[in-house]
Amino acid sequence: DAKTTQPNSMESNEEEPVHLPCNHSTISGTDYIHWYRQLPSQGPEYVIHGLTSNVNNRMASLAIAEDRKSSTLILHRATLRDAAVYYCVMNFGNEKLTFGTGTRLTIIP
Amino acid sequence: NAGVTQTPKFQVLKTGQSMTLQCAQDMNHNSMYWYRQDPGMGLRLIYYSASEGTTDKGEVPNGYNVSRLNKREFSLRLESAAPSQTSVYFCASSEYHHFLGNTIYFGEGSWLTVV
Repeated sequence: DAKTTQPNSMESNEEEPVHLPCNHSTISGTDYIHWYRQLPSQGPEYVIHGLTSNVNNRMASLAIAEDRKSSTLILHRATLRDAAVYYCVMNFGNEKLTFGTGTRLTIIP
Repeated sequence: NAGVTQTPKFQVLKTGQSMTLQCAQDMNHNSMYWYRQDPGMGLRLIYYSASEGTTDKGEVPNGYNVSRLNKREFSLRLESAAPSQTSVYFCASSEYHHFLGNTIYFGEGSWLTVV
């Protein structure tokens, strides 16, 4: 499995953009880049995924480096409800999917 | 939409007791998982099932057994509970799609305390 590295914690002001980085230097050519988030006392939920190109959805944007060794999850306008732990996960096919410790995002009102 | 349902939500066990955590998914997914999450930690994979009738060990399988009863259900059994197994347990399921990879859907968690 590709190993990921994320900062343990980040803070952002409410209504400001947030950029959450992830390094995955051992990513293989077939690994998808997925992001999940875990709200307090809940199970993780899917946020966004990508392979090579940048991606947007209603929750966030995903910017993928040209060499694919890093990616950034972008929350365009953070709200208090975005306070969560964010996990960057590499996966392909039916692999055992492993999660790191993620980044705990705190939103400051 | 039910998605992934796991029971019980809360359980207190005495050391040495046994119990089974039940999990069911209604999305017709082939793959199912059991993870545990200790306070302030990330998720660690206990066991994994790629399809009905198959199971495989994850990072922390010791002290647990699993059964993939059918495509819908994947149970986790603690034969002799220990305080070190106090944790939140998450069941999950997924299906691989060519342009999506393997998107995982999680249950709400089961809070287990072993005293």
